[in-house]
Amino acid sequence: IAGITQAPTSQILAAGRRMTLRCTQDMRHNAMYWYRQDLGLGLRLIHYSNTAGTTGKGEVPDGYSVSRANTDDFPLTLASAVPSQTSVYFCASSDLGSTDTQYFGPGTRLTVL
Amino acid sequence: GQNIDQPTEMTATEGAIVQINCTYQTSGFNGLFWYQQHAGEAPTFLSYNVLDGLEEKGRFSSFLSRSKGYSYLLLKELQMKDSASYLCAVMDSNYQLIWGAGTKLIIKP
Repeated sequence: IAGITQAPTSQILAAGRRMTLRCTQDMRHNAMYWYRQDLGLGLRLIHYSNTAGTTGKGEVPDGYSVSRANTDDFPLTLASAVPSQTSVYFCASSDLGSTDTQYFGPGTRLTVL
Repeated sequence: GQNIDQPTEMTATEGAIVQINCTYQTSGFNGLFWYQQHAGEAPTFLSYNVLDGLEEKGRFSSFLSRSKGYSYLLLKELQMKDSASYLCAVMDSNYQLIWGAGTKLIIKP
């Protein structure tokens, strides 16, 4: 089934630990995105990639890094997790320059203690 | 700065009609999106407007006025499954989506 998968579904993490959230899409979309969603706030863009091999910073990039080695995968890494990074993380992809509609993965619920 | 405003919560009755408003101030405009998000799930695409006017898709319609920085989502013949949050998002001049905080719609029998 075509779409976006994310792993893990949920995670509890000790502060200071390193964590990588995984995202894979099979729609051959050129653009991919990482958002965080917190209660009462809109989705906030962390990092994005318009094409394989390139990445860019979004609204809230501090404490996060990404890579885009190929079209399908876009992992998000927290180098040293802090409690303020407790959130729900969504990965999305789009066919940028075509419909531009973003399609979302199921999300990862991350708790940093 | 860039800003998207929509009501925090609305309540409507099953079978009725509800209109969810969205106003925006962004640097540039390359389209406005509406998404539906059920609790604990991912946002799913509902509609896209880039030109002024009404776009109808089944029970859902979306309207855009670029001169007023205004859009609304109209839901007809409300069903209990329409209970969800509705997210308004504008694509700015950098082709980034700016998101509103969402409107939680509660449907009562």
